[in-house]
Amino acid sequence: QSVLTQPPSVSGAPGQRVTISCTGSSSNIGAHYAVHWYQQLPGTAPKLLIYTNNNRPSGVPDRFSGSKSGTSASLAITGLQAEDEADYYCQSYDTSLGGWVFGGGTKLTVL
Amino acid sequence: QVQLVQSGPEVKKPGASVKVSCKASGYTFASYGLSWVRQAPGQGLEWVGWISAYNGDTNYPQELQGRVTMTTDTSTSTVYMELRSLRSDDTAMYYCARDTGGAYVDFWGQGTLVTVSS
Repeated sequence: QSVLTQPPSVSGAPGQRVTISCTGSSSNIGAHYAVHWYQQLPGTAPKLLIYTNNNRPSGVPDRFSGSKSGTSASLAITGLQAEDEADYYCQSYDTSLGGWVFGGGTKLTVL
Repeated sequence: QVQLVQSGPEVKKPGASVKVSCKASGYTFASYGLSWVRQAPGQGLEWVGWISAYNGDTNYPQELQGRVTMTTDTSTSTVYMELRSLRSDDTAMYYCARDTGGAYVDFWGQGTLVTVSS
């Protein structure tokens, strides 16, 4: 059972917009700790996608965006492309646990 | 360019120990920490701990306290992660990743598969 809750899967057709939610609690996201997102393509190491809620590292397309409100955060992907098919993980810090926590991951399928 | 190169796959018996290395290059080693994250087969990501390359401070999750130790060798820009009293549920891909100050990681190693099996 992950501390941060994500839907196991989402899907969308090419060109569509999808969102992935990440729900936490008052000891992590709700305690104003930042949320970060990683993309993991099949058989590869994860890659930083969004940092500190809504910032994109150099090289990440602006089709990817993040937001945070209260005890939840979301990753939005617009103009879906086949290459976006991957697993996506949210990550934050939990003050009760004294360390990092991850969401369980969401598998994005591009139909 | 930033590179994190990890040691090769390991196969261990239950109760044994494993030590995985992560050699960093392409940046000032002491200016960043290193975090370790593991991923069991078909499962999600799990934080294994963090070490400061500046002063060796560490932070480990409670569930691994007493079994995991992280160390650094600044002369070779290498970080080590040792896990003791291995169990079958420690079987996973172990990743090292450059930590940007305790919040998130921006570069990842290629991963080291640790298999625990009798």
